[in-house]
Amino acid sequence: ETGVTQSPTHLIKTRGQQVTLRCSSQSGHNTVSWYQQALGQGPQFIFQYYREEENGRGNFPPRFSGLQFPNYSSELNVNALELDDSALYLCASSRGQGWDQETQYFGPGTRLLVL
Amino acid sequence: EDQVTQSPEALRLQEGESSSLNCSYTVSGLRGLFWYRQDPGKGPEFLFTLYSAGEEKEKERLKATLTKKESFLHITAPKPEDSATYLCAVHSGGSNYKLTFGKGTLLTVNP
Repeated sequence: ETGVTQSPTHLIKTRGQQVTLRCSSQSGHNTVSWYQQALGQGPQFIFQYYREEENGRGNFPPRFSGLQFPNYSSELNVNALELDDSALYLCASSRGQGWDQETQYFGPGTRLLVL
Repeated sequence: EDQVTQSPEALRLQEGESSSLNCSYTVSGLRGLFWYRQDPGKGPEFLFTLYSAGEEKEKERLKATLTKKESFLHITAPKPEDSATYLCAVHSGGSNYKLTFGKGTLLTVNP
């Protein structure tokens, strides 16, 4: 079991609402990545934070935003929720950035259902 | 753009029946190839990292190998508890901040 934790475990929202998901990274890790996993698909990269700065972003609209705090924990915020946002949201922590980034370890995920 | 294709999509084995899962990839400069195991509704669990062609790693009944175009995850004498989705991902120089995943192989091992 990794030291990566996520909250909440499950969440139900209605279309148009906003949601905040939280992640605590493993001790000693300074990089947090967020992924969206739809049913039956592999995880899709949303964005990554390294030492509180956004380090890279996937093909997700601006209504997906994030933060990383000085203790390297992180938040994922999604505004104006759409039905297609229903998915498992995964947080992964690692050390380093770019070519030197080490293995990413995943948390248990937050299951979001948008009605 | 990096691409990862896993096959088969699903595999059903009898307990003790060995087999292999395939992960083929196209990247601009491979930094590492990763195998994860994912149980239903849970986060991926790290298994192996492979960095260069010819490298092999083993853990219990699992063995991962890497060539310049693909990786194999060999499962020897599987048990029902090996049932899970196995995900392959690449970390490359082209997009060196992220992992690009395949869709996974759903493995079911029947007793």
